[in-house]
Order: sequence, then structure tokens, then C-alpha cells
Amino acid sequence: DSGVTQTPKHLITATGQRVTLRCSPRSGDLSVYWYQQSLDQGLQFLIQYYNGEERAKGNILERFSAQQFPDLHSELNLSSLELGDSALYFCASSPAGDSYEQYFGPGTRLTVT
Amino acid sequence: AQSVAQPEDQVNVAEGNPLTVKCTYSVSGNPYLFWYVQYPNRGLQFLLKYITGDNLVKGSYGFEAEFNKSQTSFHLKKPSALVSDSALYFCAVRDPRNTGGFKTIFGAGTRLFVKA
Repeated sequence: DSGVTQTPKHLITATGQRVTLRCSPRSGDLSVYWYQQSLDQGLQFLIQYYNGEERAKGNILERFSAQQFPDLHSELNLSSLELGDSALYFCASSPAGDSYEQYFGPGTRLTVT
Repeated sequence: AQSVAQPEDQVNVAEGNPLTVKCTYSVSGNPYLFWYVQYPNRGLQFLLKYITGDNLVKGSYGFEAEFNKSQTSFHLKKPSALVSDSALYFCAVRDPRNTGGFKTIFGAGTRLFVKA
């Protein structure tokens, strides 16, 4: 158990809908990262937050957004969903500092039908 | 720009034999290097990292990796493979001099299959 929790574990929804994925980082970790993993794209970095502020953006679509709250949990919002958004979405956290590894949550499997 | 390559999509090895999963990187400075493992339907788990010091790094589950600066490689090794080592392995690199934006780059992953 990494100490990172993600809810829900599975999500099935229809095209055009909007969903919210939730992540609670390990106790004390200030950085939260979101990744998308699909069979054909591998592990894609979406966005990073550090202590409530956006730190870096990766290949995140404009239909997607995220935020980190004062209690450090984070939410990833996916809207106008398309079939191609079906994937595993991982959250990871790490302490401050470059030498630290990331701790990954169990993921949310999103299926868009 | 920094990059990382895992040249093999899949590695097959017999149980009890040594295994190597290859990783090469491109970073202009001194990199931080990481290995992660992903079991089916699970998140990535940290295995080991190289930050500085001894080029041979030991990690979880009997894995080790050797940092080779001249060859810009960080290959993952284990002296005796187990069937339970079958999983997807990711190499990651970070340039600590990169002060802006997301710093860690993950490789595409190598699937390790250990046959009994």
C-alpha cells in the first residue's frame, strides 16, 4: 500500500458526460501528479500540483482540469468525454525535493461508452 | 532536452536465470534515475533510485541497477528471476537542473515475462 488513495476505482460513463476523479496523497506529501495510462499511449503525464498551486502541465487536454485543495487532496475533472478518454488514471504524490520518488495510487479505470 | 529509452518492449527469461531490463537516458547534467514496477491492475511501485554515490544501487525484491555515466545507462538487474517478477517495468529520469516545469520523464515500459 503506497498510502495514496484514489476514488472511485472504476467509472463507466457515456460520451459527452463529465466525471471527477479524486486523489488523497500520502501524509506529508506536497506534490500531486496525474497520469493517464492507455494501451497505445503508455504513461502520459497530465499535470502536477505543489502545495495547492499548479507546477507543471503535460499532455492535458483543454477538456480536462485539475485542482489541489488546502488539505492537499486533488481532483481531476474530465468533461465532454470521448471514447478515446477510456484509460487508467493514476495519481501520484511525493515530498518536496527533486531526489524523491513518486508514490502511485491504485488508479481509476474510466470506461467511456 | 531530457529523454529516456527502454529499447526492449518485452524481455523473456527463465526462472532462476539472471535478468536485465535496459534503460538509456539523455540528460545534459547529472541525472536522478528511477525504476518502477507495475503489476496488473495496480499503480506503479518504486523499486530503486540513483541520486549520487555508488554506481550500483540496490532496491526492493532483490533488484539492483548500475549507473553507467559513460554509456548513459541505468540497467535493472536481478541475479535470479522469479515467476512473480513478471510485470511491466518503467525507467524514469529527472534532470535536477531543470528548474521549471515537470521534471521526470518515464520510459515506455518493458514487459518482463519469467517462465517457470
